[in-house]
Amino acid sequence: AQSVTQPDIHITVSEGASLELRCNYSYGATPYLFWYVQSPGQGLQLLLKYFSGDTLVQGIKGFEAEFKRSQSSFNLRKPSVHWSDAAEYFCAVVGPNTDKLIFGTGTRLQVFP
Amino acid sequence: EPEVTQTPSHQVTQMGQEVILRCVPISNHLYFYWYRQILGQKVEFLVSFYNNEISEKSEIFDDQFSVERPDGSNFTLKIRSTKLEDSAMYFCASSFNGPTYEQYFGPGTRLTVT
Repeated sequence: AQSVTQPDIHITVSEGASLELRCNYSYGATPYLFWYVQSPGQGLQLLLKYFSGDTLVQGIKGFEAEFKRSQSSFNLRKPSVHWSDAAEYFCAVVGPNTDKLIFGTGTRLQVFP
Repeated sequence: EPEVTQTPSHQVTQMGQEVILRCVPISNHLYFYWYRQILGQKVEFLVSFYNNEISEKSEIFDDQFSVERPDGSNFTLKIRSTKLEDSAMYFCASSFNGPTYEQYFGPGTRLTVT
């Protein structure tokens, strides 16, 4: 069965520092991969997606993610974090024969000034 | 920019009552979804809907749940007889053309069952 693991429940960084949020998936074929962000009281906003092709994908708000098939990972990165990036980040996967997004448990990002 | 909207933002109901959660998907989207997030837990898929019928549903989506697209714009989730464990944030999402396209989420409806 498909699954997504986000090993870090909570991460704290200083403003201006670099960020990497980890995501590992379990799926037989190449899945479609997504990162969503949820600010307090808000819905889920799509940051970026990977379907095929270039394994380094660029998203909104300066985020990027790299698909590594050998490690079954899709880690999210940002070179310099802003205070407004504080939110919960969800990695998600969907297979080619299903509609449903399967989400990880999320990583809560806290940013200190 | 087009967005998915949901009403109400917060619904409080008593156990055993029926609730209807409403969503207006993005206008040219063809696939519609409901997800829920119990406080402190992950977002879980409930159901997908295409061409006026359910295309996939999870084990959570039992006979107490139903979905409907009553007109050309609304997409609703009905819970017939609410239970305490139905308390959660319910998200509606829509997609232009199925799983190969990203799903756009609404802001959610927080359902509290007392």
